[in-house]
Amino acid sequence: GEDVEQSLFLSVREGDSSVINCTYTDSSSTYLYWYKQEPGAGLQLLTYIFSNMDMKQDQRLTVLLNKKDKHLSLRIADTQTGDSAIYFCAESKYSGYALNFGKGTSLLVTP
Amino acid sequence: DVKVTQSSRYLVKRTGEKVFLECVQDMDHENMFWYRQDPGLGLRLIYFSYDVKMKEKGDIPEGYSVSREKKERFSLILESASTNQTSMYLCASSPQYTGELFFGEGSRLTVL
Repeated sequence: GEDVEQSLFLSVREGDSSVINCTYTDSSSTYLYWYKQEPGAGLQLLTYIFSNMDMKQDQRLTVLLNKKDKHLSLRIADTQTGDSAIYFCAESKYSGYALNFGKGTSLLVTP
Repeated sequence: DVKVTQSSRYLVKRTGEKVFLECVQDMDHENMFWYRQDPGLGLRLIYFSYDVKMKEKGDIPEGYSVSREKKERFSLILESASTNQTSMYLCASSPQYTGELFFGEGSRLTVL
């Protein structure tokens, strides 16, 4: 499939904001997603954004989309140790179509 | 509570064995997926299905086949397991018109 790129690691201190970045190459991507994987578990949908939006906020989570640059970011405010996990960016052309995932960003939150 | 259940959390098989990985969902979802997850490679799509008896190849179908005889069950088959198929296998399901995938906990397969 088309490429979805993420940095592999991010370390932040508890209480700081985390920003996880993602770039994708398929300009026809219509839906963009953030999934979270905690140790020993499957992935869980955190949030998603349609390509006709540029921002979406959901409690501590803010998603920013720059469609021109094909850049997606996930900001976690007031990061907690329980936010330590792997975060995956994913895209699809059509709702319900198979998702194309990035390699995941491991977020480590230190006290 | 929605649930995707994978039959085995851990399996150890020998090269050349036939391996069945079973996945059952209780949400009446139309779509089901099999991904494999490897360190540094992320998730890669093996096969998916939009309906009973229907299957589509993903990005890495070689060495795998699937079966979907009932809506709730999607099986991944390794006809002759090889060491390069040692991996974590993740099953997921989703309703027809959303990208919200519900994942099982994964099956870690080791091929010796």
